[in-house]
Amino acid sequence: QTVVTQEPSLTVSPGGTVTLTCVSSTGAVTSGYFPHWFQQKPGQGPTTLIYNTNNKLSWTPARFSGSLLGGKAALTVSGVQPEDEAEYYCLLYSGGSWVFGGGTKLTVL
Amino acid sequence: EVQLEESGGGLVQPGGSLRLSCAASRFTFSTNWVTWVRQAPGKGLEWVGNIKPDGSDKSYVDSVKGRFTISRDNARSSSYLQMNSLTVEDTAIYYCYCAGYWGQGTLVTVSS
Repeated sequence: QTVVTQEPSLTVSPGGTVTLTCVSSTGAVTSGYFPHWFQQKPGQGPTTLIYNTNNKLSWTPARFSGSLLGGKAALTVSGVQPEDEAEYYCLLYSGGSWVFGGGTKLTVL
Repeated sequence: EVQLEESGGGLVQPGGSLRLSCAASRFTFSTNWVTWVRQAPGKGLEWVGNIKPDGSDKSYVDSVKGRFTISRDNARSSSYLQMNSLTVEDTAIYYCYCAGYWGQGTLVTVSS
């Protein structure tokens, strides 16, 4: 069973840039893992930010971008806004099924 | 406005069954995979399973294999999650996810 690991928490100042990463226990993350990224705010359901590594939905703010960095999937937020404070989850396809990471709590202050 | 709406959650005793529904509107449901995701209280997201657009292929997380069944009715733009032999570990908010859209979730509580 694949284990997907994310940073448990990160803190960033408003206007700053932060990169969240997503690591697979099976090895380097490639486009074949079809990385997805989701945002979830307290008391709300998730929303989709990125699918298939770097594709945005029509509602994804331009400051969010997805990529592969050093064998990991990455979500970069450039020009962080206070409303970006949330939990972020990655999702990877591995071994015929999908696995979520444990989530990264992003604090903006 | 695009909508995905889950229903069917509630309180059920251990060993019981429940059938969740996910109704889609205002987007092309029939050409997209449907995924079911759950979130236990205070925990992260867990992928439960998914179903191919034509319903010919389904996958499940190991912990629900043999107990949960995903189906769909493209004519009704709906997907279903049949849950049998429920245990307290299945207590969670259950979400459906399709084409980037999420429903609001439905709470399933398994308790005696």
